[in-house]
Amino acid sequence: DFQMTQSPSSLSASVGDRVTITCRAGQSVSIYVNWYQQKPGKAPKLLIYTASTLQTGVPSRFSGSGSGTDFTLTISNLQPEDFATYYCQQSYTTPYTFGQGTRLEI
Amino acid sequence: QVQLQESGPGLVKPSQTLSLTCTVSGGSISSGDYYWTWIRQPAGKGLEWIGRVYTSGTTTYNPSLKSRVTISLDTAKSQFSLKLSAVAAADTALYYCTRLSAGTYFDYWGQGTLVTVSS
Repeated sequence: DFQMTQSPSSLSASVGDRVTITCRAGQSVSIYVNWYQQKPGKAPKLLIYTASTLQTGVPSRFSGSGSGTDFTLTISNLQPEDFATYYCQQSYTTPYTFGQGTRLEI
Repeated sequence: QVQLQESGPGLVKPSQTLSLTCTVSGGSISSGDYYWTWIRQPAGKGLEWIGRVYTSGTTTYNPSLKSRVTISLDTAKSQFSLKLSAVAAADTALYYCTRLSAGTYFDYWGQGTLVTVSS
């Protein structure tokens, strides 16, 4: 399996901050990394696909970058509704695998 | 707007078979642009991909579960289903059905259904 490792596991920030979450793949996954946001009691929501493409309807304060093994999700100007858990996921090959999650707290 | 809705028993006894169905509305389950997949999440833990089915009926499973999993498609009912045999407590989780677009990203998710394995 292609292991995906996120850092940090948790992160504290304030409204208006800029935060970056990192995801590292155990092997190159080209640009095939997606990012999801999950709030308590809800299904994950797609934010970014193929490393840097913003899903329709997702605010532009979310951005993604990277290729190969190293990827980042950046959230600028944090809003109250952004406090959630974030997951990266590789789709380069099956089995699709997810990072362990990053909990973003106030 | 595509919607997915999981259904099935919330409680399954150990060693029995877990059976869930996902009903798709607002879009065609027969479209060749998508796979239909199952993902699960134990309480307080991360996400595990279980497997996918294509419109042709072709399936791909996670090797960690392959010996116990069957995913099938019923285009007439706009549904796809999951069967997981010989369940144990470790299979207790929230089960999500999802749409996989371009073979790449999960863009639509059901709300999830909790399945508990217990006698």
